[in-house]
Amino acid sequence: GAGVSQSPSNKVTEKGKDVELRCDPISGHTALYWYRQRLGQGLEFLIYFQGNSAPDKSGLPSDRFSAERTGESVSTLTIQRTQQEDSAVYLCASSLARTDTQYFGPGTRLTVL
Amino acid sequence: SQQGEEDPQALSIQEGENATMNCSYKTSINNLQWYRQNSGRGLVHLILIRSNEREKHSGRLRVTLDTSKKSSSLLITASRAADTASYFCALEVAAGNKLTFGGGTRVLVKP
Repeated sequence: GAGVSQSPSNKVTEKGKDVELRCDPISGHTALYWYRQRLGQGLEFLIYFQGNSAPDKSGLPSDRFSAERTGESVSTLTIQRTQQEDSAVYLCASSLARTDTQYFGPGTRLTVL
Repeated sequence: SQQGEEDPQALSIQEGENATMNCSYKTSINNLQWYRQNSGRGLVHLILIRSNEREKHSGRLRVTLDTSKKSSSLLITASRAADTASYFCALEVAAGNKLTFGGGTRVLVKP
């Protein structure tokens, strides 16, 4: 079946603009995760959804970052008033509830000029 | 910090040689996972080893886990040019399914 998809694959924006990143998880996966990967670095956890609730938002770096999820499907990650340090690849992953393997999407490369 | 620390940060080998990379961590874990990331692409799950397991194999991959030393190793045998990628270890701590990733090991396999 289809894997995790993300859109857009690339986004270039100007400093101060808002951006929305989208994630379509694997059908039936109730858990959804957002990660950020800065150039040359490992992944940073941002937020985790179980269904449409977010029990763990501990990784969101500032109040400019927010995320929502519709039911057990699409999630959007919104970054307001983007800054250059927000430039990174944003990765989404999904998993079946209470199982161990997370399946990753291809990521959205965000460049803030 | 829960984050896994990987060693070495970079590794260059000839095709056919074995590649070994290590991951050390500081907290108790539920399981440890290894991922591969080819340049410009998403992460691919390679292998998961649970805290009560010591060794797992998958094709040319061999993973070991020593919970007393809080370390894991990933061995790629008979490497191929296509194995060129960054390899990340990820920790799942006991509470929840959130993964914490290490900084990765960049592996270059020269033909």
